[in-house]
Amino acid sequence: QVQLVQSGAEVKRPGASVRVSCKASGYSFTSYEIYWLRQAPGQGLEWMGWVNPNTGNTGYAEKFQGRVTMTRDNSIRTAYMELSRLSSEDTATYYCARNYGYNELQFWGQGTLVTVSS
Amino acid sequence: QSALTQPASVSGSPGQSITISCTGTNSDIGGNDYVSWYQQHPGKAPKLIIYEVTNRPSGVPNRFSGSKSGNTASLTISGLQADDEADYFCSSSRSSTLLIGGGTKLSVL
Repeated sequence: QVQLVQSGAEVKRPGASVRVSCKASGYSFTSYEIYWLRQAPGQGLEWMGWVNPNTGNTGYAEKFQGRVTMTRDNSIRTAYMELSRLSSEDTATYYCARNYGYNELQFWGQGTLVTVSS
Repeated sequence: QSALTQPASVSGSPGQSITISCTGTNSDIGGNDYVSWYQQHPGKAPKLIIYEVTNRPSGVPNRFSGSKSGNTASLTISGLQADDEADYFCSSSRSSTLLIGGGTKLSVL
């Protein structure tokens, strides 16, 4: 079955960077895009961007342009999301998700809590 | 402020039907059929329940249905059950951007 397993919780200082990983199994990794979203405590979902594991192409939400990098390592079926210049407003649970056809997100990782605090 | 507008909360009694709206523009909801709905229980990852406006993934009960009229998409849940109490999010696309609604909290009274 399709599974996305994310890396563990992180605590970071303001100004630092964080990298979250998302390991896929149960399907052809290069056949579907991986999306990244986040959810601040008590808030709604926010789309951050996507990476195409086959081509390496990416698309980022305008809000995160210049601060986010999405990559992948096909040899270990893992996608990565790195966010730099962290502030307290980046405290959130970060999710990776796989699309179904176009941009329907049918499979989700368990979420990774990133806490930014001095 | 989200690009897609949802009511903050709705409520209903067990067995009743409720509808959650999601309003966008003719550049997103009104301009394509890539509207999805997600259900999220507290502390859990979202779950896809409707895609391409009206389609249900395998395993989602037919009590959940989707529709669209103009720039507004709707999710209807019939025969409300206690476990339907959750947050619901809509999504659509505009160019290469994924838009997500602010979410609606459904209370089953």
